[in-house]
Amino acid sequence: QVQLEQWGAGLLKPSETLSLTCGVFGGTLSNYYWSWIRQPPGKGLEWIGEISHSGGTYYIPSLKSRVTISVDTSKKQFSLKMSSVTVADTAVYYCARVTGGETYYFDYWGQGTLVTVSS
Amino acid sequence: QSALTQPRSVSGSPGQSVTISCTGTSSDVGAYNYVSWYQQHPGKAPKLMIYDVSKWPSGVPDRFSGSKSGNTASLTISGLQAEDEADYYCCSYAGNYVIFGGGTKVTVL
Repeated sequence: QVQLEQWGAGLLKPSETLSLTCGVFGGTLSNYYWSWIRQPPGKGLEWIGEISHSGGTYYIPSLKSRVTISVDTSKKQFSLKMSSVTVADTAVYYCARVTGGETYYFDYWGQGTLVTVSS
Repeated sequence: QSALTQPRSVSGSPGQSVTISCTGTSSDVGAYNYVSWYQQHPGKAPKLMIYDVSKWPSGVPDRFSGSKSGNTASLTISGLQAEDEADYYCCSYAGNYVIFGGGTKVTVL
């Protein structure tokens, strides 16, 4: 059974860099994309971007200039960095596995990390 | 990219059926049969309920069903049960990005 476990700093000040990591347990990175999704308090889900096991990336255009998703296949981990955060970036951040190819869906999710941006 | 349009809330009594709509555009919902639906209980991570418009992941009861017509996808919950009370989100692949709906709160009366 695949499990995703995520970790990272939960409290940031404006202008700092958000950094989260997601570990993949019980499965392989190959043949899947690995995604980050966020959810502001009381609001809906927003896809941030994704990365393949070989490093190919896609990002939502509105965040592309501030976001980097990377993968470490030796550790079976992938990471999210978001620079110059503001209060508007306060959200629960989820990592998720993407099953793609001739389909597309998120079948495994991390537990979520609340990131609060406050001065 | 604006969020897909969902009703904010729907409700029904136990045993009844409810349907949630999800309206997008010809660039997302209308362009691909890659619509998925997620159930989210408070404080929990979303759970995949339907993928590829109408397919069930293992373990999801067939009381949940999906369909699509043009730019609008729908999720129907038949035989509503108390544990179905949750938020539901649709999601569509759109080429180089992915877009979610704003979410629908399902209340079991």
